[in-house]
Amino acid sequence: QVQLQQWGAGLLKPSETLSLTCAVYGESFSGYYWSWIRQPPGKGLEWIGEVSDSGRTNYNPSLESRATISIDTSKNQFSLKLRSVTAADTAVYYCARHTAYTYSNSYSYHTDVWGEGTTVTVSS
Amino acid sequence: QSVLTQPPSVSAAPGQKVTLSCSGSRSNIGNNFISWYQHLPGTAPKLLIYDNNKRPSGIPDRFSGSKSGTSATLGITGLQTGDEAHYYCATWDNSLNSWVFGGGTKLTVL
Repeated sequence: QVQLQQWGAGLLKPSETLSLTCAVYGESFSGYYWSWIRQPPGKGLEWIGEVSDSGRTNYNPSLESRATISIDTSKNQFSLKLRSVTAADTAVYYCARHTAYTYSNSYSYHTDVWGEGTTVTVSS
Repeated sequence: QSVLTQPPSVSAAPGQKVTLSCSGSRSNIGNNFISWYQHLPGTAPKLLIYDNNKRPSGIPDRFSGSKSGTSATLGITGLQTGDEAHYYCATWDNSLNSWVFGGGTKLTVL
């Protein structure tokens, strides 16, 4: 049974870099997309971006300039770095595994495995 | 402002049936499969429905999904107090090249 375990600094000052890592247990990277999703307090879910098993990345346009997602297949881990954080980046951050495929001319992209979430607070 | 539109809240009595709506456009729901997630406070979201109407293993058949055009619906029958949660729809958006969510619907079981 695949499990995702995530960790990283929970308290940052404005302008610092958020850094989170997610370890994948019970599954290899192959055949899946691995992403980060966040939820600011009192708001809905927001997809930050993804990395494929080959290391190809894709980001939410609103965060693309500040976000970097990478994988380390030797450690079965993937990571998120978000530069120049502000209070607006305060949120619970989740790592997740996605299954993606196309059939009947439609794209299916969904996640069935999530990390437990990490609360990140940005405050001076 | 979310790309997909969901009503902020819905309420119903235990045992009743409720439908949660999600509307979008041709660039997202209109051309791709939708998934639904249940989010309880302090926990990670849980996949309820994928590919418009498929249930993962372990999800009871009280939960169902459908899609028509640029809108989708999550149905829940036999409501239980444990169903109180936020529910999110999500799909891929071809114009944004991003995975997009609805703003979420808070379900209250009175």
